[in-house]
Amino acid sequence: ETGVTQTPRHLVMGMTNKKSLKCEQHLGHNAMYWYKQSAKKPLELMFVYSLEERVENNSVPSRFSPECPNSSHLFLHLHTLQPEDSALYLCASSPRGRTGRYTTNEKLFFGSGTQLSVL
Amino acid sequence: AQKVTQAQTEISVVEKEDVTLDCVYETRDTTYYLFWYKQPPSGELVFLIRRNSFDEQNEISGRYSWNFQKSTSSFNFTITASQVVDSAVYFCALSRAAGTYKYIFGTGTRLKVLA
Repeated sequence: ETGVTQTPRHLVMGMTNKKSLKCEQHLGHNAMYWYKQSAKKPLELMFVYSLEERVENNSVPSRFSPECPNSSHLFLHLHTLQPEDSALYLCASSPRGRTGRYTTNEKLFFGSGTQLSVL
Repeated sequence: AQKVTQAQTEISVVEKEDVTLDCVYETRDTTYYLFWYKQPPSGELVFLIRRNSFDEQNEISGRYSWNFQKSTSSFNFTITASQVVDSAVYFCALSRAAGTYKYIFGTGTRLKVLA
């Protein structure tokens, strides 16, 4: 148990559906991340929020829309996805500082991921 | 540009064998951090170790040991007397010291330990 919880664990959706992935951390961390894990590829950073402010947006298509209402919750809203978006989506958190001021390079705490299949 | 290479896609060993997972990195920074994470079948990546670029001491933690060599830009991970529970995907990662939230991950090495 890493203290980071992701729901749902599995999601199958059609290309015209709208769905959301949820992440919750109980560690008091102030930075949260979305990563995409595809087979035989490095983990791909999608978004980073530090103290509820988006500090990194790694050229992700607009069909992925993140939301961070508070430092404990992170969402990834999905709409009109493509089959190539099928992957494991991992949420992580870390005790980071404010935007641009300081990075501690602390370890990341990951959730178990949402295995997404787009049909 | 920063890059992490894990050339071993998959390794299979028999229980109690020793196994070394290779990690080679590229960076122009003088200060950086290296990490190893384990991803068991349950999916979550679990932190194993962090090393900063100024600390080249090797580290041992139980059956795990890490060999950091700046001269060859390598940060290899050895499991001694492997066990079935060690079966997982192992990721090496690189991070800059400041100015970014990015971790650069390798593609991972899948380790299968057979009973």
